[in-house]
Amino acid sequence: GIQVEQSPPDLILQEGANSTLRCNFSDSVNNLQWFHQNPWGQLINLFYIPSGTKQNGRLSATTVATERYSLLYISSSQTTDSGVYFCAVVGSSASKIIFGSGTRLSIRP
Amino acid sequence: GAVVSQHPSRVICKSGTSVKIECRSLDFQATTMFWYRQFPKQSLMLMATSNEGSKATYEQGVEKDKFLINHASLTLSTLTVTSAHPEDSSFYICSAQGGTSSYNSPLHFGNGTRLTVT
Repeated sequence: GIQVEQSPPDLILQEGANSTLRCNFSDSVNNLQWFHQNPWGQLINLFYIPSGTKQNGRLSATTVATERYSLLYISSSQTTDSGVYFCAVVGSSASKIIFGSGTRLSIRP
Repeated sequence: GAVVSQHPSRVICKSGTSVKIECRSLDFQATTMFWYRQFPKQSLMLMATSNEGSKATYEQGVEKDKFLINHASLTLSTLTVTSAHPEDSSFYICSAQGGTSSYNSPLHFGNGTRLTVT
C-alpha cells in the first residue's frame, strides 16, 4: 500500500516564527488532507488539497502531485498552533485514507 | 460545513463489559464511515470501513468479533467494543464521507472517544 512520511517528527519554535511541514507519499493520490490535532484530541480539517496551492489566513499548503509531496506552511506561529499535524492521503488505487506519523509542533511563548 | 458527532466523548468501563460508540453525520449523508484507533503519541490507525447497508471491511489484525461495526443508516454508524480489556483502552475516532465519489471527497471527523478499561 501507499506509504506516507512526514517530517520533521518534532518541531519546537518560538512564538512568531514561521515553519514548513512536509509530507511525502509513495504513489499517486486522489485525496490529500492536512489536519491539526489539538491537545484534546480533536482533529481539525485544515486543507483538502490533492494538488495545487491553498491559503487560509496564516496557513497555506502546496501539493505537487507529480513529485509526490505536500507542504504545510505556518507563518507567525501562535501558542494555539501547538499540537500534532497530520497529512492523510488516499492512493489512486485504493479507497481508504492513510495517515502519516505526524509532526508534533510546540510553540513557546 | 459538514459536522460529525461522536458520543460518548469519554467512557470508563470495567474489564469484560461492552461499550458502544456512536458516530453521526448531522448535516450530510455519509455513504462511507471509517473507524480509527489512536494510541498515545501515535498516528491514527484505520480499523475498519463501513458502508451503509453492508458489512464492514476490517483491516488486517483487527478482530471483527471484538469490534462490531453497524452502519444501519446513511447518518449513523456504531462501534461496539465487546468484552473490553485494559489493552483496548485507546482513543477511538470516526470519520465520514458523503457523495457518490466518496474516496476523493474530504473526510470529516468526530471529536473522538477516549476509552479506559479498568
